[in-house]
Amino acid sequence: GAVVSQHPSRVICKSGTSVKIECRSLDFQATTMFWYRQFPKQSLMLMATSNEGSKATYEQGVEKDKFLINHASLTLSTLTVTSAHPEDSSFYICSAAGRQTIYNEQFFGPGTRLTVL
Amino acid sequence: KQEVTQIPAALSVPEGENLVLNCSFTDSAIYNLQWFRQDPGKGLTSLLLIQSSQREQTSGRLNASLDKSSGRSTLYIAASQPGDSATYLCAPLPPNDYKLSFGAGTTVTVRA
Repeated sequence: GAVVSQHPSRVICKSGTSVKIECRSLDFQATTMFWYRQFPKQSLMLMATSNEGSKATYEQGVEKDKFLINHASLTLSTLTVTSAHPEDSSFYICSAAGRQTIYNEQFFGPGTRLTVL
Repeated sequence: KQEVTQIPAALSVPEGENLVLNCSFTDSAIYNLQWFRQDPGKGLTSLLLIQSSQREQTSGRLNASLDKSSGRSTLYIAASQPGDSATYLCAPLPPNDYKLSFGAGTTVTVRA
């Protein structure tokens, strides 16, 4: 299957700082990327959908000014958590789909563990 | 809104036993359904994708069935191994959309 990478895999930051997480599709063009958040022992919660070259669509209850998403190319989307606070600590996972993926199959990155002190 | 339920929530079996994981969804108008595996602290690995027109899909020891009209899918894992221990998630996909809906998952433990 197609490969999606995320960087960094883990990040620890101080409260009030901003953190950027990258999501890359390595061997296909991702016209659409998704960002999820997962709390311990819970399922994935979709935060936003991003299409290449356009603004992200955020799910209800997700602050778009806090979670900035940029999908500048067909292989890269970034999630920036601005002015992070301890309650933003979570596991963030991206997925990608698009050209060359069959039947809209989505491929997921390995996730980024964010800890805000 | 699509609601996905996975039963059981957790399952513990001795090595070699066959596993049956159930997934039900409320809106039968789906394009396909994916089964994923998630290891602790890791991302999701796609196991099988079954199209809405298919009844089943197989990959090695894994077999997924789909009864779209009744909103059910079942993942069978034959001859389980300790390495199969993980959380398994099902996710139906609507037509003309990429937005997956996830169940809470079934956490499987295979005892050696």
